[in-house]
Amino acid sequence: NAGVTQTPKFRILKIGQSMTLQCTQDMNHNYMYWYRQDPGMGLKLIYYSVGAGITDKGEVPNGYNVSRSTTEDFPLRLELAAPSQTSVYFCASSYRASGSYEQYFGPGTRLTVT
Amino acid sequence: RKEVEQDPGPFNVPEGATVAFNCTYSNSASQSFFWYRQDCRKEPKLLMSVYSSGNEDGRFTAQLNRASQYISLLIRDSKLSDSATYLCVVFREGKLIFGQGTELSVKP
Repeated sequence: NAGVTQTPKFRILKIGQSMTLQCTQDMNHNYMYWYRQDPGMGLKLIYYSVGAGITDKGEVPNGYNVSRSTTEDFPLRLELAAPSQTSVYFCASSYRASGSYEQYFGPGTRLTVT
Repeated sequence: RKEVEQDPGPFNVPEGATVAFNCTYSNSASQSFFWYRQDCRKEPKLLMSVYSSGNEDGRFTAQLNRASQYISLLIRDSKLSDSATYLCVVFREGKLIFGQGTELSVKP
């Protein structure tokens, strides 16, 4: 049972480059989330989706875009990468957006922008 | 002010010690409360939910005081394997809000 998978695990980008972080879940969860975690900090919500075709901004959406064409996939797009986007990115999913339902996290993508 | 604030840590304790983590949250509309555990450079995983009546899971006890907007986690008889960062998390308006985490290091 794979759960939530993310690719790549590591990436180094030059300033101004673009890339897509991939996230896939096989639990048939409706809700999916993207977070970033800076060193010594908690996770901050970038974007989330309540189902295929529906996305919404979180706390720190600037510089990122998302799409949700299927239940399984929720890619995160970085356009014009900046050093401030150096971080660890976690994708998560849950059956519903309720406090009763656990969020399951992927292993993370470690991104460095230089 | 951060919405969820935790003891800054790190906590360095010997095996067998009892250690307590504290957390406060600022929004009284917060609906649910959790402790997540995050091992070094890995993804967070749910440790336990926190209820007003208090709840226990083996060596771990969590307490919630809604009036004081305060959450705690007590770990008894610490093991080396308890070394990790403990994240205080609240659920509000469909989203999880994370504290910055408290690092625990259990030494032999």
